[in-house]
Amino acid sequence: DAGITQSPRHKVTETGTPVTLRCHQTENHRYMYWYRQDPGHGLRLIHYSYGVKDTDKGEVSDGYSVSRSKTEDFLLTLESATSSQTSVYFCAIFNYQPDKQRNYGYTFGSGTRLTVV
Amino acid sequence: GQNIDQPTEMTATEGAIVQINCTYQTSGFNGLFWYQQHAGEAPTFLSYNVLDGLEEKGRFSSFLSRSKGYSYLLLKELQMKDSASYLCAVREVNRDDKIIFGKGTRLHILP
Repeated sequence: DAGITQSPRHKVTETGTPVTLRCHQTENHRYMYWYRQDPGHGLRLIHYSYGVKDTDKGEVSDGYSVSRSKTEDFLLTLESATSSQTSVYFCAIFNYQPDKQRNYGYTFGSGTRLTVV
Repeated sequence: GQNIDQPTEMTATEGAIVQINCTYQTSGFNGLFWYQQHAGEAPTFLSYNVLDGLEEKGRFSSFLSRSKGYSYLLLKELQMKDSASYLCAVREVNRDDKIIFGKGTRLHILP
């Protein structure tokens, strides 16, 4: 178990308000990712981090910002929520275990269902 | 750029065999994953192929042909609990371990 949790699990917010989603991992993984999943689009990368204070944009980064001040926490902020940001958001870590020579790809958190009204 | 194609939906019967195909085009290939995702849940790892050939794991097998940019996931002895979406995903070389996902294939199992 990669020990990755997201909070909150569900949230309803109003258009124009800021929203922060939290991802927490317990196993010191270097890489962390934020995806959104929408019908007809699949999983799309928003932002990712390759270390503390090291982040980069994904394919759908407009309207989102991230921060990683500690290895274990990766925060996603919607600076001014819009209805188009209604989605399910998944955090993921890259789960490679060199001692077992096993590559599991991503392990995902349980997701946050965000509704912007 | 990258492009991953898989069928949108498939239907199969309990106890049967189904094959879900995936074709991809990437600028630098470093492995292919299959994930299973039940409705309302997170995707979970099924398989990883980096070399050509077939990887078998219980009722599930995954095949890769790098020269053809092609993979398939084979599910045998289908059970009702196999009703889910199946995501094909490609890892690119030197891209911070980013994985690009297809849109997924929704598999319906009929009794």
